[in-house]
Amino acid sequence: DQQVKQNSPSLSVQEGRISILNCDYTNSMFDYFLWYKKYPAEGPTFLISISSIKDKNEDGRFTVFLNKSAKHLSLHIVPSQPGDSAVYFCAASAVGGGSNYKLTFGKGTLLTVNP
Amino acid sequence: DTEVTQTPKHLVMGMTNKKSLKCEQHMGHRAMYWYKQKAKKPPELMFVYSYEKLSINESVPSRFSPECPNSSLLNLHLHALQPEDSALYLCASSQTETGTGELFFGEGSRLTVL
Repeated sequence: DQQVKQNSPSLSVQEGRISILNCDYTNSMFDYFLWYKKYPAEGPTFLISISSIKDKNEDGRFTVFLNKSAKHLSLHIVPSQPGDSAVYFCAASAVGGGSNYKLTFGKGTLLTVNP
Repeated sequence: DTEVTQTPKHLVMGMTNKKSLKCEQHMGHRAMYWYKQKAKKPPELMFVYSYEKLSINESVPSRFSPECPNSSLLNLHLHALQPEDSALYLCASSQTETGTGELFFGEGSRLTVL
């Protein structure tokens, strides 16, 4: 049973446009969410995170939105650049109450930004 | 220094071999992790070490044996592996095992079992 779902295996956008990557989760205990970016032959690199007490977190071109009632989060990249082409993993953890920091990952979405 | 370094980057072994994967971090992190990632699948947690003690073992077969010699090093000893164990093995670290904070991942060790 997948607790973190990224239903779009791939996404293609034009350089300069907005990229929107979506993620849904089923475990209501999750209260901390992260996005990781992975290039081929490299380990995942942390991009941005959001705690369940917030509904938006912004860092430069990257913004993550969290809709707790819908158990949905999204990553917006504006403007998209060719160097953003990578696999993006959504991850979630239940950290409240000092729980073990155990990330559950989605399957990833391959983003291709075309020049 | 915000790196997690893993060696070797690539490893090919037979089913009767014994080999080890190594991971090192010098960020003062007290939690270290092993993840396994198969092609087109998400990383799956195998083990968590917290303050050099095994904290989580996600029902991993005993042919995988983790070891944490000190707070900077994490090993994964491999013995009698199966071809289906071929995967990318990722090491990660975080400041502590609890609370928020990012996991820093290494580049991974790509293992092929013949």
